[in-house]
Amino acid sequence: NAGVTQTPKFRILKIGQSMTLQCTQDMNHNYMYWYRQDPGMGLKLIYYSVGAGITDKGEVPNGYNVSRSTTEDFPLRLELAAPSQTSVYFCASSYSTVSYEQYFGPGTRLTVT
Amino acid sequence: GQQVMQIPQYQHVQEGEDFTTYCNSSTTLSNIQWYKQRPGGHPVFLIQLVKSGEVKKQKRLTFQFGEAKKNSSLHITATQTTDVGTYFCAGIDFGNEKLTFGTGTRLTIIP
Repeated sequence: NAGVTQTPKFRILKIGQSMTLQCTQDMNHNYMYWYRQDPGMGLKLIYYSVGAGITDKGEVPNGYNVSRSTTEDFPLRLELAAPSQTSVYFCASSYSTVSYEQYFGPGTRLTVT
Repeated sequence: GQQVMQIPQYQHVQEGEDFTTYCNSSTTLSNIQWYKQRPGGHPVFLIQLVKSGEVKKQKRLTFQFGEAKKNSSLHITATQTTDVGTYFCAGIDFGNEKLTFGTGTRLTIIP
């Protein structure tokens, strides 16, 4: 099993550009999450999904959108990138509710200039 | 909203010394999880505590959940260079089942 994979690993965006961060898991997990981690800080939840077709906002959803058309994939869309979105983005998945351990992907390091 | 704080923010120890990080929640927790993130890496799950007053051990690591289920601690005995990284607690709020990550404690080891 590859676990949770994310692409790209690194990306530099100009202000106002858009992009999609890809996340795929092969563990047949129902729950998937997107976090951002600013330098030296903890993890902030952006969006999460409890199953295909179901998504909900986390703590910091502004400026982002998600979709969950399949169990495996949970892409994160950034529209009109801003410098405040410079961060490391982690995708994670868990078998069921938040009471189960989360498996994290390797992360995408995004810089907006 | 729920806040989860960790202290200290940074800790530098000599190899072989012990290390402890403390996690405090503003609300009562149903569960608490601990993760380790190596420099440049991603968080990796270590353990979950569920019961009030629970103590669990993993080799040199000891995890405790407070009696009131509002705090937790991680203690590492005789640190090694492989222990370097940031340790995060993540609390699941008893009321709304939301998982909130703590601010993390960054551990560096002086050889």
